[in-house]
Amino acid sequence: NAGVTQTPKFQVLKTGQSMTLQCAQDMNHEYMSWYRQDPGMGLRLIHYSVGAGITDQGEVPNGYNVSRSTTEDFPLRLLSAAPSQTSVYFCASSYSMGGNTGELFFGEGSRLTVL
Amino acid sequence: AQSVTQLGSHVSVSEGALVLLRCNYSSSVPPYLFWYVQYPNQGLQLLLKYTTGATLVKGINGFEAEFKKSETSFHLTKPSAHMSDAAEYFCAVRRSGGSNYKLTFGKGTLLTVNP
Repeated sequence: NAGVTQTPKFQVLKTGQSMTLQCAQDMNHEYMSWYRQDPGMGLRLIHYSVGAGITDQGEVPNGYNVSRSTTEDFPLRLLSAAPSQTSVYFCASSYSMGGNTGELFFGEGSRLTVL
Repeated sequence: AQSVTQLGSHVSVSEGALVLLRCNYSSSVPPYLFWYVQYPNQGLQLLLKYTTGATLVKGINGFEAEFKKSETSFHLTKPSAHMSDAAEYFCAVRRSGGSNYKLTFGKGTLLTVNP
């Protein structure tokens, strides 16, 4: 079982460039989310989705876009990269059926540097 | 809204000593509480969780935590630290029940284990 797979693991961008971070899970989880991790800030929620076709904003959504066309995939798009978006990005998923505790399963992260 | 405060961004212990990592939460409804561990350059892995029932929960690698509603705390302990416990630890909270699966994380505590 692959779990949550993120690509790429490392990326360097120039200011103003756009890119997409890919996330795929093979656990049939309905809930998927993107976090960014910065030193001393913990993990902050960017966007999340409770199922195909449904997305919503988290705590720090500006500059990012998401879509959820399938249960398995939840890509994160940076529209015009800025140095402030230099961070480590984590995709996480969870069951969301009634009664579940919502434990998150994490990918290994994508380290993004914006010059 | 939920929030988490982890007291101490860096904790240093000697090998064999008690590990105590502090977490206080704020939640308007009964919470689900989690501790995650992150080893260098890896994603987050669930250590343990509290949902309902017994307030003392045991996790992997000899860690345990006690939910104390009166103190709004969920401190993580391990009787005897091992070098392999060196990592960053995150406390997280979400609302119990319903369809809100968003996890709110603390800022993390880096645990150093000295030989």
